[in-house]
Amino acid sequence: DTEVTQTPKHLVMGMTNKKSLKCEQHMGHRAMYWYKQKAKKPPELMFVYSYEKLSINESVPSRFSPECPNSSLLNLHLHALQPEDSALYLCASSQADRAHQPQHFGDGTRLSIL
Amino acid sequence: AQKITQTQPGMFVQEKEAVTLDCTYDTSDPSYGLFWYKQPSSGEMIFLIYQGSYDQQNATEGRYSLNFQKARKSANLVISASQLGDSAMYFCAMRGLPRNQFYFGTGTSLTVIP
Repeated sequence: DTEVTQTPKHLVMGMTNKKSLKCEQHMGHRAMYWYKQKAKKPPELMFVYSYEKLSINESVPSRFSPECPNSSLLNLHLHALQPEDSALYLCASSQADRAHQPQHFGDGTRLSIL
Repeated sequence: AQKITQTQPGMFVQEKEAVTLDCTYDTSDPSYGLFWYKQPSSGEMIFLIYQGSYDQQNATEGRYSLNFQKARKSANLVISASQLGDSAMYFCAMRGLPRNQFYFGTGTSLTVIP
């Protein structure tokens, strides 16, 4: 069982809808991540939160809006998405500022934009 | 600049045989971590094994071992006694600078043949 929980597992939405992806971890990790992944490709970094503050934004379009309400939760708010945004969205967490600690991933949300 | 290179887009191995997946990296940071992840077709990213830049011995974890050659900047994954369930995408990753960012290779698709 994964220690990072993502909900929902699948999401189908229209281009005008607003939805949110949720991620939760209870490992005490203070770095949390959102990735977008297309089939057979590596994960693409979207956002990094360190100690609940946004530390990296990889020039992600504003239709994706991250939020970190507390040290255990990470949300990704979606609005007016495009068909090319259909992908697997992965959340991950890690101990902060430790070069020798891995990321732990959730199972992902498969997002389809109609 | 931090970079991870995986030069084998696809690999085939006979069941029960060993296979080596290649990974080279580039960094000027003396303190870094190297990680391998497995991603089955179901999508979850599974952490397999880790090697720290200061570790003198190669990491092992069950059937997985990491052939770390620091001078060559390589961190190859060796899977012994391949099983059908090993068929998946495998990603090599590095954690360096900035500390909370991970860099992924392009991945290798491994197919185990019965």
